[in-house]
Amino acid sequence: GDSVTQMEGPVTLSEEAFLTINCTYTATGYPSLFWYVQYPGEGLQLLLKATKADDKGSNKGFEATYRKETTSFHLEKGSVQVSDSAVYFCALSGYNKLIFGAGTRLAVHP
Amino acid sequence: KAGVTQTPRYLIKTRGQQVTLSCSPISGHRSVSWYQQTPGQGLQFLFEYFSETQRNKGNFPGRFSGRQFSNSRSEMNVSTLELGDSALYLCASSVGQGGDKNIQYFGAGTRLSVL
Repeated sequence: GDSVTQMEGPVTLSEEAFLTINCTYTATGYPSLFWYVQYPGEGLQLLLKATKADDKGSNKGFEATYRKETTSFHLEKGSVQVSDSAVYFCALSGYNKLIFGAGTRLAVHP
Repeated sequence: KAGVTQTPRYLIKTRGQQVTLSCSPISGHRSVSWYQQTPGQGLQFLFEYFSETQRNKGNFPGRFSGRQFSNSRSEMNVSTLELGDSALYLCASSVGQGGDKNIQYFGAGTRLSVL
């Protein structure tokens, strides 16, 4: 079945460092791809999305490109802030549902 | 526009009891989905409703059930609670059809603790 694999965390970075969180997927058909972020004690917030191959989603300095040839959707940010500390989830659209990766915890230190 | 609202935020129950969780979607959204989040299993899909009809169901026992009302509000019920049902239960809403049907917006969740 469809699935999402994310790099294991935690990822620990200093402020202003470059961030990459890897995400690869297995799917039949052509799913939409998403990144969600979860701050402590909260639900999931949609960070960005891409609906077809080569689409680039972007929001708040984060970017991810839908790569069909490598079945990947890696999340990047050029300069992280302490406020970016959270858990990040990669997801794909299944039949009337989302399928999530295990999540990657990011900790940014001043 | 108000977001997805889940009530209550926290619940403590004992084994064998039942519980009902509530979710009010974003105005105009007709689809509501439910997910269970635990440290061990991550985010798992429970079920999805659109216009009062269940369109999809995850791999959970029959103790987990849900419904959707004509105003799109949804409830999920867990009967005969077990310790392993302790989790954060997340509700998400979407328009449910058309190009944006896969974009889901989440509530803050209900944290259920079973003692």
